[in-house]
Amino acid sequence: SAVISQKPSRDICQRGTSLTIQCQVDSQVTMMFWYRQQPGQSLTLIATANQGSEATYESGFVIDKFPISRPNLTFSTLTVSNMSPEDSSIYLCSVEGPSAGLADGYGYTFGSGTRLTVV
Amino acid sequence: GENVEQHPSTLSVQEGDSAVIKCTYSDSASNYFPWYKQELGKRPQLIIDIRSNVGEKKDQRIAVTLNKTAKHFSLHITETQPEDSAVYFCAAGLNTGFQKLVFGTGTRLLVSP
Repeated sequence: SAVISQKPSRDICQRGTSLTIQCQVDSQVTMMFWYRQQPGQSLTLIATANQGSEATYESGFVIDKFPISRPNLTFSTLTVSNMSPEDSSIYLCSVEGPSAGLADGYGYTFGSGTRLTVV
Repeated sequence: GENVEQHPSTLSVQEGDSAVIKCTYSDSASNYFPWYKQELGKRPQLIIDIRSNVGEKKDQRIAVTLNKTAKHFSLHITETQPEDSAVYFCAAGLNTGFQKLVFGTGTRLLVSP
């Protein structure tokens, strides 16, 4: 199955600063997805990152706040800019590919997440 | 856009009982329906999925059923065990060139010994 390394695993940041989250995959993937999971809530898609093109953002998320880079087929970064306490969440990257534990071996896998606290 | 509703929000069962979680979706074009299990402090883990050309799929104690006409799908866990305790999320995938997943609100399952 695809192995996704995400870092940092957690961080505590001052409001007004920015944090860049990195996601590294052990195989080449076309699409990488960035999600936000607010405390006790579900997962919300922030944007989709396709190598070689601008990321596609979901309603309510904008590039100035969440710039994304996708320099190659195994790596992506998400930056949370000008942070406020409302940005405190878990941020997860996800890819499509072989997923352990399924009979047909294919699905969407998540990284371990970045727990961000903004103070 | 797609909207996924999930019920119940919490579910408590005794060990050995069955648990059923239900989801409805709004976009009839959705064609992929995965279920994720998320233990406290961990990443969501894909446990089973179903595609719209199949009505039911089973993997040991876990099964998923899909009713395309009614636009709902369900997760069934039989012979529940304490280690099944977690938050479960359903999702609906819309093929937009890739599968764009919209998640339900989650169900907290507690299995008591």
